[in-house]
Amino acid sequence: GAVVSQHPSWVICKSGTSVKIECRSLDFQATTMFWYRQFPKQSLMLMATSNEGSKATYEQGVEKDKFLINHASLTLSTLTVTSAHPEDSSFYICSVQLAGASETQYFGPGTRLLVL
Amino acid sequence: GQQLNQSPQSMFIQEGEDVSMNCTSSSIFNTWLWYKQDPGEGPVLLIALYKAGELTSNGRLTAQFGITRKDSFLNISASIPSDVGIYFCAGQKWNNNDMRFGAGTRLTVKP
Repeated sequence: GAVVSQHPSWVICKSGTSVKIECRSLDFQATTMFWYRQFPKQSLMLMATSNEGSKATYEQGVEKDKFLINHASLTLSTLTVTSAHPEDSSFYICSVQLAGASETQYFGPGTRLLVL
Repeated sequence: GQQLNQSPQSMFIQEGEDVSMNCTSSSIFNTWLWYKQDPGEGPVLLIALYKAGELTSNGRLTAQFGITRKDSFLNISASIPSDVGIYFCAGQKWNNNDMRFGAGTRLTVKP
């Protein structure tokens, strides 16, 4: 399977600031990456699909101007939470998809965001 | 998007017991996957199923892709303490890239 890293693993910030989270595919070039959000004791909810070289596709109800996604290379996608508020506190997880028949997704270790 | 119905929500079992959990959906999926998530970590893929009726094993884990393409189950035999965690099923369709997740089954194993 693919090895995926995320940075930072956790971040605490003040309300109103912006936070950038990086997702890297370490051993595989990924044309497609995904960003999920997971609240405590809940399942993963897809936020957006990140496509290399093009605009991300956002799920219904996810504000594209608040959650900026940049997939500038085949190994890196970034999620920027702009003007973060306490309700944005969550566990953010990215995944990469292996091309081919299986199209299986492999997940990063996640980034825990706490907005004070 | 639609979510999968995963049950049970939680299980408390004794070490050595077998475990069974399942997922159902009102729509058809072409791929079923089972993931395990430890606290503070991302999900780790356990088993992937690609064909209706497929039965696949990974050590003490066995999963099956339902014939109707609307369900899947995961069995864990002879549970051990390190099996503790949250297990998620996920369904994926060919016509889009995203996956839909079940709500998870929280497994506790008593030594």
